Amino acid sequence: NAGVTQTPKFRILKIGQSMTLQCAQDMNHNYMYWYRQDPGMGLKLIYYSVGAGITDKGEVPNGYNVSRSTTEDFPLRLELAAPSQTSVYFCASSDGLAGASGANVLTFGAGSRLTVL
Amino acid sequence: GESVGLHLPTLSVQEGDNSIINCAYSNSASDYFIWYKQESGKGPQFIIDIRSNMDKRQGQRVTVLLNKTVKHLSLQIAATQPGDSAVYFCAGSHTGANSKLTFGKGITLSVRP
Repeated sequence: NAGVTQTPKFRILKIGQSMTLQCAQDMNHNYMYWYRQDPGMGLKLIYYSVGAGITDKGEVPNGYNVSRSTTEDFPLRLELAAPSQTSVYFCASSDGLAGASGANVLTFGAGSRLTVL
Repeated sequence: GESVGLHLPTLSVQEGDNSIINCAYSNSASDYFIWYKQESGKGPQFIIDIRSNMDKRQGQRVTVLLNKTVKHLSLQIAATQPGDSAVYFCAGSHTGANSKLTFGKGITLSVRP
């Protein structure tokens, strides 16, 4: 049981380039999330999804796009990379909406470190 | 809105001692709190959680205490081990269909041999 798998682990982009961070989970979780983690800061929610075909913005969605065509996959797209998007990105999943009553625990991937130069 | 923060960015403890990591929150409507541990190069992992109808919850070597009066929670680790060295995050949320977790900044726990 792999849990949440993220690829790539590391990537360097030039300003203006685009790329997709991949995320897959094998736990049949309906809820999936993308967070970014900046040095010395907590996790900030970028986008989340409550099921296939449904996505919604989190706290810091600007500059990103997501899609959820299947239950398993939740890719994060950067269209025009900017230095401000240099960060570590974490994908997570849960049975129910994390934080809502029901207290569903997030399972995180190992992270993708992105540097934009 | 919700604001969750840890009191100190770093904590150094002697192996075998007890560790106490503190966290404050601002939203009095918050009713669920959770602690995550993040080891170097890995994603955060669940440690323990607590609902606001409880003051204390115990796990294996860990205890979470919640003081709703002063909007404060703490994570206590008994007999701290080198493997406990990590960054610890508290997070909170309030009841609601669209409520999501708000994470604190994280505190680094270093265990001295």
